[in-house]
Amino acid sequence: DTGVSQDPRHKITKRGQNVTFRCDPISEHNRLYWYRQTLGQGPEFLTYFQNEAQLEKSRLLSDRFSAERPKGSFSTLEIQRTEQGDSAMYLCASSFDRQETQYFGPGTRLLVL
Amino acid sequence: DAKTTQPNSMESNEEEPVHLPCNHSTISGTDYIHWYRQLPSQGPEYVIHGLTSNVNNRMASLAIAEDRKSSTLILHRATLRDAAVYYCILRELNTGFQKLVFGTGTRLLVSP
Repeated sequence: DTGVSQDPRHKITKRGQNVTFRCDPISEHNRLYWYRQTLGQGPEFLTYFQNEAQLEKSRLLSDRFSAERPKGSFSTLEIQRTEQGDSAMYLCASSFDRQETQYFGPGTRLLVL
Repeated sequence: DAKTTQPNSMESNEEEPVHLPCNHSTISGTDYIHWYRQLPSQGPEYVIHGLTSNVNNRMASLAIAEDRKSSTLILHRATLRDAAVYYCILRELNTGFQKLVFGTGTRLLVSP
């Protein structure tokens, strides 16, 4: 299966620590999205890449959050100085150009203690 | 982004049809109606989308009202695997960047 993959699937960290998540999109997809989902809510958009360029950032993405996609392939999402409010599922999705469908990975579940 | 309204939850029995409603009274002429679903502990997955005409695929059917202010996702024979949260999402045609704006969706419970 060559779907979207995310690593790790689960992460437990202590408040104040930094964490980094990785997303590997479907290989020919040039668009990559990050979303965050808290319990009982639908996913919320965080940021979007077209190839290596980060073209859109939500106001949800505070200064403690940074995302990269250095070679237009995989992407990383780093959270610095984690807070308990950062506990959520972090979802990655990819698509090809303006193709309507976004394909989601299984998510990384973060718990900040 | 135009808003959608869905019931919080619905229940069905296995092998019966399920009709999941969505209201989008402020839909514009260039908004496509998309449905995604999210199985437990998984990321969302695409189900179907349409603009004006009813649409069918291997997963479901989408019935769109003539005035486009509402739509219904139809699962013809529910299985236990269809238990999920179903999201109705409007996406504007050809605006380039296309983030998905999710609501809280409808949680479908399927009983054997």
